[in-house]
Amino acid sequence: NAGVTQTPKFRILKIGQSMTLQCTQDMNHNYMYWYRQDPGMGLKLIYYSVGAGITDKGEVPNGYNVSRSTTEDFPLRLELAAPSQTSVYFCASSQQGKDSPLHFGNGTRLTVT
Amino acid sequence: KQEVTQIPAALSVPEGENLVLNCSFTDSAIYNLQWFRQDPGKGLTSLLLIQSSQREQTSGRLNASLDKSSGRSTLYIAASQPGDSATYLCAVRGMDSSYKLIFGSGTRLLVRP
Repeated sequence: NAGVTQTPKFRILKIGQSMTLQCTQDMNHNYMYWYRQDPGMGLKLIYYSVGAGITDKGEVPNGYNVSRSTTEDFPLRLELAAPSQTSVYFCASSQQGKDSPLHFGNGTRLTVT
Repeated sequence: KQEVTQIPAALSVPEGENLVLNCSFTDSAIYNLQWFRQDPGKGLTSLLLIQSSQREQTSGRLNASLDKSSGRSTLYIAASQPGDSATYLCAVRGMDSSYKLIFGSGTRLLVRP
């Protein structure tokens, strides 16, 4: 029972490079989310999806893109990495929307230098 | 704009103590509130979810209360153990935004043997 799986666990990027953070869940959850967590801070929502083919912006979407072609996968794309995107990124899923608890992956620690 | 505050930022207690973690929010129009646990290098684990119509939720040694009118929630941990050492975060979901959770910055708890 894997739950929410994120890859990679760590990554160092140079300014201007691009990369995709992978997220997959095996719980058949319709709702998926991407958060970032900066040191000593709470989490901020980047993007979310309520089902395959449907995505929407969260609080801090600038510099990121997402897609949701299947129920299981919700990759996050950074096109032109900037130092401000240095953070820990968490993917989460929930069975329903507002009434269900979130299940989180273990995170991807990204450093942009 | 909803803001969530957790005080203190860090707490150290001897094993066996009963303790209370605090969470306050500025806008009482919330849909629900969740408490999470975060271990170092790991994702968040949902502990308790309280709907706005509820006053408390219990799970084992954990009890979370909600007072919407005063904008406060508390997480009570009974008979604390070293294994309870982690960061505890609360998050509120507003009535006007179905999929966005506003997180506090957490309380880092250390239970000393």
